[in-house]
Amino acid sequence: AQTVTQSQPEMSVQEAETVTLSCTYDTSESDYYLFWYKQPPSRQMILVIRQEAYKQQNATENRFSVNFQKAAKSFSLKISDSQLGDAAMYFCAYSSSNTGKLIFGQGTTLQVKP
Amino acid sequence: DSGVTQTPKHLITATGQRVTLRCSPRSGDLSVYWYQQSLDQGLQFLIQYYNGEERAKGNILERFSAQQFPDLHSELNLSSLELGDSALYFCASSPLSPGQGNTIYFGEGSWLTVV
Repeated sequence: AQTVTQSQPEMSVQEAETVTLSCTYDTSESDYYLFWYKQPPSRQMILVIRQEAYKQQNATENRFSVNFQKAAKSFSLKISDSQLGDAAMYFCAYSSSNTGKLIFGQGTTLQVKP
Repeated sequence: DSGVTQTPKHLITATGQRVTLRCSPRSGDLSVYWYQQSLDQGLQFLIQYYNGEERAKGNILERFSAQQFPDLHSELNLSSLELGDSALYFCASSPLSPGQGNTIYFGEGSWLTVV
């Protein structure tokens, strides 16, 4: 069975600085997808970024980028120029190409200090 | 706004009761997923439907059931409720068939409090 692990329960960053959230996963599949979702205090789940496993190029979305290391089964999220609105719980998620369902990590709470 | 609509947004009910949570997926989305998020747990996958048929089952209790109707909306039925069932229940949808790596979009969730 696939698993997703986020080893950092809490992280903090100074406004305008850069922070990296870690995620590792375990799977025997070769075709899959990885996601980062943001959950602010409103508890809404917001898609931040998505990565296809077959693509070597790391995905980027404005200030958000990932470092995808397929061999190491690592999928970290880098947030540049952190803003107060980035404060939230961040979930790493794995999606099997067979089922499409998401398997989530435990989440990392990000605090942004002004 | 993700386009996924969940009702009710908040619900308080007593132990032993039964409730139904409703979800309308994004227009055109065929897959619907249900997740449970408790205070002390992460997001737990409950069940998935695709075009009216059950496609995957997760940690869904026997007291819980779900279905997807011909108009693609879905309902999650929770019965014989216990205090531990208090949680935020998310519905999510995706446009393509399972396995095509499509992005899953979440509704705002239904807060269930069992007292």
